Amino acid sequence: EIVMTQSPATLSVSPGERATLSCRASQSVSSNLAWYQQKPGQAPRLLIYGASTRATGIPARFSGSGSGTEFTLTISSLQSEDFAVYYCQQYNNWPPMTFGQGTKVEIK
Amino acid sequence: QVQLVQSGAEVKKPGASVKVSCKASGYTFTSYYMHWVRQAPGQGLEWMGIINPSGGSTSYAQKFQGRVTMTRDTSTSTVYMELSSLRSEDTAVYYCASGARPGWFDPWGQGTLVTVSS
Repeated sequence: EIVMTQSPATLSVSPGERATLSCRASQSVSSNLAWYQQKPGQAPRLLIYGASTRATGIPARFSGSGSGTEFTLTISSLQSEDFAVYYCQQYNNWPPMTFGQGTKVEIK
Repeated sequence: QVQLVQSGAEVKKPGASVKVSCKASGYTFTSYYMHWVRQAPGQGLEWMGIINPSGGSTSYAQKFQGRVTMTRDTSTSTVYMELSSLRSEDTAVYYCASGARPGWFDPWGQGTLVTVSS
């Protein structure tokens, strides 16, 4: 099973600032990685797939990069609606598909 | 638009089974895979398995093998997830989520809370 590790667990950022979230895989997942945003009481929402392709309707301030074992989600200028928990997910080797434990982006 | 609507919350006793439904609309039901993902209170996301609505083939996470069954009804565009031998650790929100490929999940259902308590 591929283990996904996200860092940091919590990121405190001021509105308008840049946020950088990391995700590391225990072995290569090529570019088969997705990112999701989840707000309290809501289902997750797909942001990025294929490590760097934005899903339909996702603002350009969200960008993904990386391949192999190291991945990054960048939010270029945080808006109030971006404060949430973010998860990475690999779909290269499955079953099982696996998620990171999440990074909470909170208001500084 | 693509929409997944799940059945309502359930309360079950330990040892019982639960069956959660997920009705799809807005697309050709047999063209998209369906996954089940769960989230325990305050915890992260856990993938349970996948069903191909076209032929009904399934693949489950080893953790749930023998306890989970995913099925589909093409006449109503509905998939089902049944989990048996419930224990308190199975208390979670269960989500269905679709995908054109067995990769990323988009969109997701609204979630179904399953509470296991004596």
